Amino acid sequence: SQQGEEDPQALSIQEGENATMNCSYKTSINNLQWYRQNSGRGLVHLILIRSNEREKHSGRLRVTLDTSKKSSSLLITASRAADTASYFCATDAFGNEKLTFGTGTRLTIIP
Amino acid sequence: GAVVSQHPSWVICKSGTSVKIECRSLDFQATTMFWYRQFPKQSLMLMATSNEGSKATYEQGVEKDKFLINHASLTLSTLTVTSAHPEDSSFYICSARERGWTEAFFGQGTRLTVV
Repeated sequence: SQQGEEDPQALSIQEGENATMNCSYKTSINNLQWYRQNSGRGLVHLILIRSNEREKHSGRLRVTLDTSKKSSSLLITASRAADTASYFCATDAFGNEKLTFGTGTRLTIIP
Repeated sequence: GAVVSQHPSWVICKSGTSVKIECRSLDFQATTMFWYRQFPKQSLMLMATSNEGSKATYEQGVEKDKFLINHASLTLSTLTVTSAHPEDSSFYICSARERGWTEAFFGQGTRLTVV
């Protein structure tokens, strides 16, 4: 069954605004990762946060992790048209290599 | 980052025929490869996990005789959709990981259309 639920399912914002996506998961995790997928393409790894970390930054990306609430958020600051894509969180558990993906958020940046 | 090459990027085949999709790691040893299926506007669903030299482990509900996975070398895994039917039409994506790595790298995906 699907591990993660993401919200919103779809998000449209003006270029330059910030975009926030949330991911919730059900069981204990080792790592949580965020991926981007452009339409009809493969996935691009964005950022990884470990279960003992609470926040991580990479360029315009900021990820938070709250293991007590089993949730994570991805913030994209100063959005650009090229950020238009679907974003997925993915989790893996201790001793298990499998990545389980969330339902995804379709982000549209309006120029 | 590491590169995973998936081929073909799209394929159209007739019902009843078989289709092979290749997934190659170009600059690392893919000790583990994963095959996913994705329906339009949906998430990725894991089909199977394969370790080099071992039989693939299939997820519940995935027919192993229908979706044949071979991971004969540290750089190549193949997925063969046997006796394809229109309901097998989907986007198939592979990913690969080297032992000890946390991050998995993804291929570009294969759009399969069965007519």
